[in-house]
Amino acid sequence: AQSVTQPDIHITVSEGASLELRCNYSYGATPYLFWYVQSPGQGLQLLLKYFSGDTLVQGIKGFEAEFKRSQSSFNLRKPSVHWSDAAEYFCAVGAAGTASKLTFGTGTRLQVTL
Amino acid sequence: NAGVTQTPKFQVLKTGQSMTLQCAQDMNHEYMSWYRQDPGMGLRLIHYSVGAGITDQGEVPNGYNVSRSTTEDFPLRLLSAAPSQTSVYFCASSSPDSYNEQFFGPGTRLTVL
Repeated sequence: AQSVTQPDIHITVSEGASLELRCNYSYGATPYLFWYVQSPGQGLQLLLKYFSGDTLVQGIKGFEAEFKRSQSSFNLRKPSVHWSDAAEYFCAVGAAGTASKLTFGTGTRLQVTL
Repeated sequence: NAGVTQTPKFQVLKTGQSMTLQCAQDMNHEYMSWYRQDPGMGLRLIHYSVGAGITDQGEVPNGYNVSRSTTEDFPLRLLSAAPSQTSVYFCASSSPDSYNEQFFGPGTRLTVL
């Protein structure tokens, strides 16, 4: 069975500082990996996704993530955080032949201080 | 395209009441899913469907029923609401060739008293 671990429940960074949110997954075959962002009271917005190919993927809002098979990780990064990035971030994993089901991590809440 | 729409946005029920959360998509997606979101638990899959007339259980199906009579609609029914079903519910759709990428609706916030 697939599983996703986001070890950091809550992270605080200063505006302008760099950010890395951790995501570890468990799945035997090649996973499909996603990062979603959720602002308070809002729905989920897709930041970026990995299916195959280049292991460094670029997303919206200046985010990127790197797939590292050897570490079963898909960490999300941003070089310089803006106050508007404060939100909850979810990592999710899917796989071929699973009827598009996703398994989500428990989320990381990002707070940005000015 | 409206994408995935959900109604209502908010709902308050009393224990034992029944209701249906509506979900519709206009992208002609074969796959549709229902998730619930609870604090500290992320999103968990309730039920899903791979096409009209075909549904299956997800991780947390107890207390919920679904049916899929058309490609566009995938309603979620609570037959006898319980306080443990207080949550935010998200409907999602996807296509078989989208590598599991889900398109989410705006959510329904349900409170059961």
